Amino acid sequence: DAGVTQSPTHLIKTRGQQVTLRCSPKSGHDTVSWYQQALGQGPQFIFQYYEEEERQRGNFPDRFSGHQFPNYSSELNVNALLLGDSALYLCASSLRYGTGELFFGEGSRLTVL
Amino acid sequence: DAKTTQPPSMDCAEGRAANLPCNHSTISGNEYVYWYRQIHSQGPQYIIHGLKNNETNEMASLIITEDRKSSTLILPHATLRDTAVYYCIVSLGNFNKFYFGSGTKLNVKP
Repeated sequence: DAGVTQSPTHLIKTRGQQVTLRCSPKSGHDTVSWYQQALGQGPQFIFQYYEEEERQRGNFPDRFSGHQFPNYSSELNVNALLLGDSALYLCASSLRYGTGELFFGEGSRLTVL
Repeated sequence: DAKTTQPPSMDCAEGRAANLPCNHSTISGNEYVYWYRQIHSQGPQYIIHGLKNNETNEMASLIITEDRKSSTLILPHATLRDTAVYYCIVSLGNFNKFYFGSGTKLNVKP
């Protein structure tokens, strides 16, 4: 049973560019959440997708957007990259009507130069 | 979501029990307590969760006080591979974002 998979694992961008990160949830899961983890800090919630709609959002600007596809996979897009966007981006999947456990992928490490 | 307070770091000898405390004094009646851990540069790993009663699984035990204002995660026989940052989170679960905080860095020493 494949767990949560994310791609790419590492990438380097320059300020002002745009990036797209991808996530495939654990088999059977229908909800995808995205988290940003800066170095030395705990993960911070970006947003959550269910039934192809954004259901909740954390304190992140509109430069951060996402999408969920009919197969439950998801993308995170970040526009106009800033140096401060350098972080590990984590995708987590869960069951909407389960008991709330999140299953995380290994993350995508983004470096903005 | 209620926020939690955890010590920034703890040491534990290999083979001994590791007891990680968490305070969540503002927890509401329908919020669960979740524990996750994160080994360096990996994604967080689910450990255990509970509402009121103590819980045990193959990884750990979770002890929740009767007033639910604090809890303790117990790793019964810590190994070097248990060295990680441990996060205590309170959340409604479904439909809810998780607030991770800074966690406790557990150092298991030989």
